[in-house]
This record gives sequence, structure tokens and C-alpha cells, in this order.
Amino acid sequence: GENVEQHPSTLSVQEGDSAVIKCTYSDSASNYFPWYKQELGKRPQLIIDIRSNVGEKKDQRIAVTLNKTAKHFSLHITETQPEDSAVYFCAARFGNEKLTFGTGTRLTIIP
Amino acid sequence: GAVVSQHPSWVICKSGTSVKIECRSLDFQATTMFWYRQFPKQSLMLMATSNEGSKATYEQGVEKDKFLINHASLTLSTLTVTSAHPEDSSFYICSARDGSALSGNTIYFGEGSWLTVV
Repeated sequence: GENVEQHPSTLSVQEGDSAVIKCTYSDSASNYFPWYKQELGKRPQLIIDIRSNVGEKKDQRIAVTLNKTAKHFSLHITETQPEDSAVYFCAARFGNEKLTFGTGTRLTIIP
Repeated sequence: GAVVSQHPSWVICKSGTSVKIECRSLDFQATTMFWYRQFPKQSLMLMATSNEGSKATYEQGVEKDKFLINHASLTLSTLTVTSAHPEDSSFYICSARDGSALSGNTIYFGEGSWLTVV
């Protein structure tokens, strides 16, 4: 089955700087890669996703890049703000199969 | 965006009793829903995939007789934790897949349910 690894497990960045979280996946057939943001005790919120037919997608301060050859994808947050502090999960899926989640990254924005 | 409602948001039950958690897709039909368990500071662990009108598919190591899943309609799936024990205390989250053409099979999560077994 699919295996998703996520790094780093914790990340602290100064407010205004950029944050990058990386994930690798094992199943080359996976074609959908969402990113979720989860605040303590709350539901994961989809913040951005990318499908295998594109290499990059951007939504304001958030961007995701995908390298299918290397089987890795990354989340980029620019101009970080305190409200970006949360746990971020990457995930991978093939077709209508189940999502396989990474282990999460606890992002802390330092004011 | 699409909404998935989960109820109750928190529940305390006595050891040995059963508790039911509901997951509803409010504005779309979900032929497939997923149940996760999340321990503090850990990732989401998939317990089972719930398919409308058929038996759930359980992940390895998850006891199907303990965690009963019913998906009787296209908008409702339920998870019943039977004979609950303190080690079952956790955050349980459901998700639903919007299979409509416009959605592209996007997954939406419920609010989660905190279960405490005393």
C-alpha cells in the first residue's frame, strides 16, 4: 500500500518568513495530493491540493509543488502569520482509494 | 464548501457501555465515508472505510466487532464503540468523499468527537 513520509515533524519560523514542509510517497500510481491544516482539537481543513497532471498550484500565500519523478511534494507558505500556527498533514491517494496521511508537522510562527 | 457534521462533539461514558457517533454529509451525497482515530500529537489513523449499503472495510488491527460501522444512507454513517474501555478514549473523526463530478472526489472532515471512557 501507499506510504507517506513527512518532514520536518516540527518547524518554527519567524513571522513574515516562509515555511516549507516536504512529503514523499511510495506508490507511483498516486495522483491526488491534498494538504490539511489542523488546529488543536478541531477538524482537519483542506487548504490546498494538487493532482498529478500539474507540477505546481498556488493560492495566495500557499503553494504546493509536485515532483512525480522523485515522488515528493511540498507545501510552501510565504509571509507567515501567527494564525498559520497549526499542525499540517500531507496525504496521497490513487483514484477513489483511501487517503494515506503523513505524520504531520507542527508549525509554530514566532511573532 | 461542502459540510460534514459529526455528533456528538464530546462524550463521556462508563467503561463497558457503548457509544454511537454520527457522521452526516449535509449538502452532498457520500457513498464513501471514512473513520479515523487520532491520539494526541499524532496523525490520523484510518480505522475503516464505510460504504453505503455494504459492509465496512476495516484496516488491519481494527476490531470490527468492537467498532461497528453502519452506512445506511448516502448522507449518514455511524460508528458504535461497543464495550468501551479507557484505552478507547481518543479523538474520532469521520470524513466523507464528495463524488460529484464538480468536486473531483474531494474529502471533507467532520468536526471530530472526543470520547472519554471512565
